[in-house]
Amino acid sequence: DSGVTQTPKHLITATGQRVTLRCSPRSGDLSVYWYQQSLDQGLQFLIQYYNGEERAKGNILERFSAQQFPDLHSELNLSSLELGDSALYFCASSVGGLGYGYTFGSGTRLTVV
Amino acid sequence: GQQVMQIPQYQHVQEGEDFTTYCNSSTTLSNIQWYKQRPGGHPVFLIQLVKSGEVKKQKRLTFQFGEAKKNSSLHITATQTTDVGTYFCAASTSGTYKYIFGTGTRLKVLA
Repeated sequence: DSGVTQTPKHLITATGQRVTLRCSPRSGDLSVYWYQQSLDQGLQFLIQYYNGEERAKGNILERFSAQQFPDLHSELNLSSLELGDSALYFCASSVGGLGYGYTFGSGTRLTVV
Repeated sequence: GQQVMQIPQYQHVQEGEDFTTYCNSSTTLSNIQWYKQRPGGHPVFLIQLVKSGEVKKQKRLTFQFGEAKKNSSLHITATQTTDVGTYFCAASTSGTYKYIFGTGTRLKVLA
């Protein structure tokens, strides 16, 4: 157990639908990062939050949005889902700043059918 | 945008052979991290390099940051079956708050 909790572990949904992925960071970590990993692909950075505020944005689609709540958990919302959105979505957390390694959760596997 | 390339993409080695993966950036990096992802697992942080020319060791793993801070390498001596997985470098540049992950090198170790 890495200390970063992601729910659900698996999600199967139809095209056009909307889903919410949830992440609870490791205790004490203020930063949350979201990454997308497609089959046999690398990790694509989506977005970062630090203590409730958006700090950095990657190649996140307009159909995707995220937020970090006062208790520091984060949610990634994916809407108007397409087949190509099927992937493993990882959340990672860190104390903050670039001097620390990321702790990754086990991921949410999203399948769009 | 910033891109981080890793070579090779795949590597099959016999158990006991050495293995090296290289990470290259077109821009100067402020620091670099290395992660290992086992098949079906999540990335796990291995190490961070900050200084030009820095070399760090963890048992059979040796990590190096290039003098120009544009490349890095991970070398595994005498691979074991437990080394199987994908190794990612993650690079950051000054003024940014995020790490860009490399394309990864998938290592298979044949017993």
